Amino acid sequence: QKEVEQNSGPLSVPEGAIASLNCTYSDRVSQSFFWYRQYSGKSPELIMSIYSNGDKEDGRFTAQLNKASQYVSLLIRDSQPSDSATYLCAGVIYNQGGKLIFGQGTELSVKP
Amino acid sequence: KAGVTQTPRYLIKTRGQQVTLSCSPISGHRSVSWYQQTPGQGLQFLFEYFSETQRNKGNFPGRFSGRQFSNSRSEMNVSTLELGDSALYLCASSLTRTGGNSPLHFGNGTRLTVT
Repeated sequence: QKEVEQNSGPLSVPEGAIASLNCTYSDRVSQSFFWYRQYSGKSPELIMSIYSNGDKEDGRFTAQLNKASQYVSLLIRDSQPSDSATYLCAGVIYNQGGKLIFGQGTELSVKP
Repeated sequence: KAGVTQTPRYLIKTRGQQVTLSCSPISGHRSVSWYQQTPGQGLQFLFEYFSETQRNKGNFPGRFSGRQFSNSRSEMNVSTLELGDSALYLCASSLTRTGGNSPLHFGNGTRLTVT
């Protein structure tokens, strides 16, 4: 099993809908997780971080962490065409001195 | 506050050559991490430097090396370039060492093409 796994997509949603992006992680990954957004040709930018079980909301974005099931998700409400990008999930592997490992990314396309 | 600055933005090299990439972190950030990004492999961790010491290393051959200076600026070197080294190389800085709750902030990357 890969340490951090994401469906590569593409995920296509209509404008105004809720986009749901999911990520699962292995036992080697810690409980600190980050969601990054990467537009084509650009570098990743941090959207949200989540460290404890449950939900964390920031504007149209909600991150969810479920430690028992080892998954973390990102919900984007009222999706806009400008949200079209690749979303990267990342978690920390502590027992190797602490390194941030990224999933393959999920490509999101929001159709007007 | 200025972001992470990487130079150069683009590089074209031939096989067998070596290359040095530079990264200036956000002011006050002491940790610098390097990643390689390719379409097939995604973002792969290369190494992390903190207080001028390599703290962690990914699964890359010894041709990939780096260093960090006292002002936290970092350089990455790739020797004996191979075609497969063509990639986007991203530098990221954080306030503390990776593993804490301090997220990484990425630079714009250096696009390396090996011919």
